[in-house]
Amino acid sequence: GAVVSQHPSWVICKSGTSVKIECRSLDFQATTMFWYRQFPKQSLMLMATSNEGSKATYEQGVEKDKFLINHASLTLSTLTVTSAHPEDSSFYICSARDVAPRETQYFGPGTRLLVL
Amino acid sequence: DAKTTQPTSMDCAEGRAANLPCNHSTISGNEYVYWYRQIHSQGPQYIIHGLKNNETNEMASLIITEDRKSSTLILPHATLRDTAVYYCTYGQNFVFGPGTRLSVLP
Repeated sequence: GAVVSQHPSWVICKSGTSVKIECRSLDFQATTMFWYRQFPKQSLMLMATSNEGSKATYEQGVEKDKFLINHASLTLSTLTVTSAHPEDSSFYICSARDVAPRETQYFGPGTRLLVL
Repeated sequence: DAKTTQPTSMDCAEGRAANLPCNHSTISGNEYVYWYRQIHSQGPQYIIHGLKNNETNEMASLIITEDRKSSTLILPHATLRDTAVYYCTYGQNFVFGPGTRLSVLP
């Protein structure tokens, strides 16, 4: 099956610093990747859709200058949380979409971010 | 908005079949139905997908009604490791609802 990796799996940082999370599709090319965040006991919340070679599309209420997304290749998308604050602490999950007609999403294992 | 409706929670005895329903009444004719699950503190895992016909793989079976407005995910012999939150979605809808929290009981 298709594999998606995320790095790092967890990170602790000080308030005000920036954190970069990488998402890679290991055995398939993904023109579209997605970024979600998840708070405890809640469902996944879609943050943005990332298309290779173009600007990401952000969901309503998600600050694009706060959460920078880059999708420079067909196998890599990055999410940078800029000037992180404690309220940004969350579980961040990426997914990569398979090609049509399946268009199945394959998810990464997630990155747990704790901002002190 | 998720546009799907699922029970909030379900219990199932170990070894029994778990049948998880999902309503997706606004699905279009060419949109696939997808099922995923999320075990605690992990990323979601793809389970199965289908368009019109019933589907089966090594993990589960998917039954889609003839009008395609609902589907049922079947875990034929649930184990404790199947305890998870199960999500259904369809087409280009990448927003997830709250899903069904399945508890498999010994």
